[in-house]
Amino acid sequence: DAGVIQSPRHEVTEMGQEVTLRCKPISGHDYLFWYRQTMMRGLELLIYFNNNVPIDDSGMPEDRFSAKMPNASFSTLKIQPSEPRDSAVYFCASSEAGQRFNGYTFGSGTRLTVV
Amino acid sequence: GDSVTQMEGPVTLSEEAFLTINCTYTATGYPSLFWYVQYPGEGLQLLLKATKADDKGSNKGFEATYRKETTSFHLEKGSVQVSDSAVYFCALLNFGNEKLTFGTGTRLTIIP
Repeated sequence: DAGVIQSPRHEVTEMGQEVTLRCKPISGHDYLFWYRQTMMRGLELLIYFNNNVPIDDSGMPEDRFSAKMPNASFSTLKIQPSEPRDSAVYFCASSEAGQRFNGYTFGSGTRLTVV
Repeated sequence: GDSVTQMEGPVTLSEEAFLTINCTYTATGYPSLFWYVQYPGEGLQLLLKATKADDKGSNKGFEATYRKETTSFHLEKGSVQVSDSAVYFCALLNFGNEKLTFGTGTRLTIIP
């Protein structure tokens, strides 16, 4: 398996623009998680899905953020409009319900810079 | 709720030194415990895990023992290498909860 695949690896955008981050989980994994990492706040869980259904979005910072999972092999995290304080590394991770105690598999992340 | 407290960093050691990174947790029941490692520019990778009291997880020369009496899961390595330079995260997963609870991470730098 190729692991969790995220795209793009780097994104630079201007304030006010829409940004879409993409994630392909490991085939067969039924949980998908979106995290944000910054120096100030560390790792923050934004939202997670089970079988494509959002379960907990309490970590989504505000209405400018939205996430979807239209099918088992694809998820997006969208920021509209983007702001400089959204600059961070965004990670996607997936796990399998029956193997949850094996932990998560993380993607390599998308480094977002909003100027 | 569940929480993980990690040793404050950054930690700088010379090559071949002994490493300990402290981790303690607060949780009800019997959580599983994990150490993740993040190398520069990469995502987090599972380093080792332990699922019950007195279990020892080990990988790549690193070890950690699940100590329920002290609610601890300290990471150790007998002789570190420059390639071990990374950020290390302690985490727990409790029964009935699908969300990993992470510590704040400890940045480790090994100098030749």
